Amino acid sequence: DVQMTQSPSTLSASVGDRVTITCRASQSISSWLAWYQQKPGKAPRLLIYQASNLEGGVPSRFSGSGSGTDFTLTINSLQPDDFATYYCQQYNSYPWPFGQGTKVEIK
Amino acid sequence: QVQLVESGGGLVEPGGSLRLSCEASGFTFSDYYMSWIRQAPGRGLEWISYISNSGSAIYYADSVKGRFTISRDNAKNSLYLQMNSLRAEDTAIYYCARKGGAALHTPFEYWGQGSLVTVSS
Repeated sequence: DVQMTQSPSTLSASVGDRVTITCRASQSISSWLAWYQQKPGKAPRLLIYQASNLEGGVPSRFSGSGSGTDFTLTINSLQPDDFATYYCQQYNSYPWPFGQGTKVEIK
Repeated sequence: QVQLVESGGGLVEPGGSLRLSCEASGFTFSDYYMSWIRQAPGRGLEWISYISNSGSAIYYADSVKGRFTISRDNAKNSLYLQMNSLRAEDTAIYYCARKGGAALHTPFEYWGQGSLVTVSS
């Protein structure tokens, strides 16, 4: 089974900062990777699919890159609404594990 | 607009059973693959089961295989999760989620609000 490893687990940042979260797959998943944002008490929200495609309605300050085993989620100019937990998830092959999550906190 | 509404959660004793439902609206339910994903309190997301649009293909995570059964009724626009032999570690919020189409290589585009299952004596 493919394992997904995210880093860091927690990230402290300020409004306006550029933030990068990494996700590594234990074997190649091509570009079949999604990123989700989750706020406390809410369901996850799809941000990015196929590694770099922005879901409709998602602000352009979010971007994704990578292929194979190494992926990144970048948030340019962090906004107050972006403080949340972010998860990567591979959908190349069953099962479809998520990374353990990265909590973006206010510095 | 797409809506997924879970119901059926609650408090159950270890070894007990519970059936979750997810009612879908705003799209042609029979055109989409569906899944159940759970989140234990304070923990990350765990995918647990998937069903194809026709119901002919079903997968489970090892953690629930043999205890949980996923099913769907396309005439009722509904997804189900029958949970038997429940354990304390099954305590979680259970989300139903819609994939991006009738294809495995699609992300989870839409999620319900979740249904809390608590397994405790």
